[in-house]
Amino acid sequence: AQSVTQLDSHVSVSEGTPVLLRCNYSSSYSPSLFWYVQHPNKGLQLLLKYTSAATLVKGINGFEAEFKKSETSFHLTKPSAHMSDAAEYFCVVSVRDKLIFGTGTLLAVQP
Amino acid sequence: KAGVTQTPRYLIKTRGQQVTLSCSPISGHRSVSWYQQTPGQGLQFLFEYFSETQRNKGNFPGRFSGRQFSNSRSEMNVSTLELGDSALYLCASSWIGDESYEQYFGPGTRLTVT
Repeated sequence: AQSVTQLDSHVSVSEGTPVLLRCNYSSSYSPSLFWYVQHPNKGLQLLLKYTSAATLVKGINGFEAEFKKSETSFHLTKPSAHMSDAAEYFCVVSVRDKLIFGTGTLLAVQP
Repeated sequence: KAGVTQTPRYLIKTRGQQVTLSCSPISGHRSVSWYQQTPGQGLQFLFEYFSETQRNKGNFPGRFSGRQFSNSRSEMNVSTLELGDSALYLCASSWIGDESYEQYFGPGTRLTVT
């Protein structure tokens, strides 16, 4: 069965420091993977997607993720956190035209 | 291009009542999916409609139903509301043909059942 596991429920960083949000996936074939972000009281916004092209995927707002098949990981990174990055982040796998969401990682950015 | 719109944005209902939520997809998108988001269960897939037909269904009771119209707009209905139905209901649309099946989400309808 396809699934994603977000390894941290909360991550706290200081503004200007790197961000790492970890995601492992389980899939019996090459998956489509996504990262979505949800700001408080807002809907979900797509940050980036992996679809078996380049393994390093660049997204919006300076975020990127690397697909590592050997580690079944799809971690989200950003070199320098900004206060506006504080939000909840979801790692998602697409399974037969429906999305399976991870449990989310709440990112706090300290001034 | 306008995004996905959902109405109403907020709703308060009483146990036992029924509710209908509406979703208008992005122009040209023919697939509409519905998700329920709660603090305890996270984001869960309800169902997906494409060309007025339900293509996929999650593990929710029959009290949850939906439909899609010829203009791709979709409605979701919940009958005999329970306290546990309080949640943020998100609608997402997508263009079939994108191999990644990228979905675009609306702002959600916050349903409170008292």
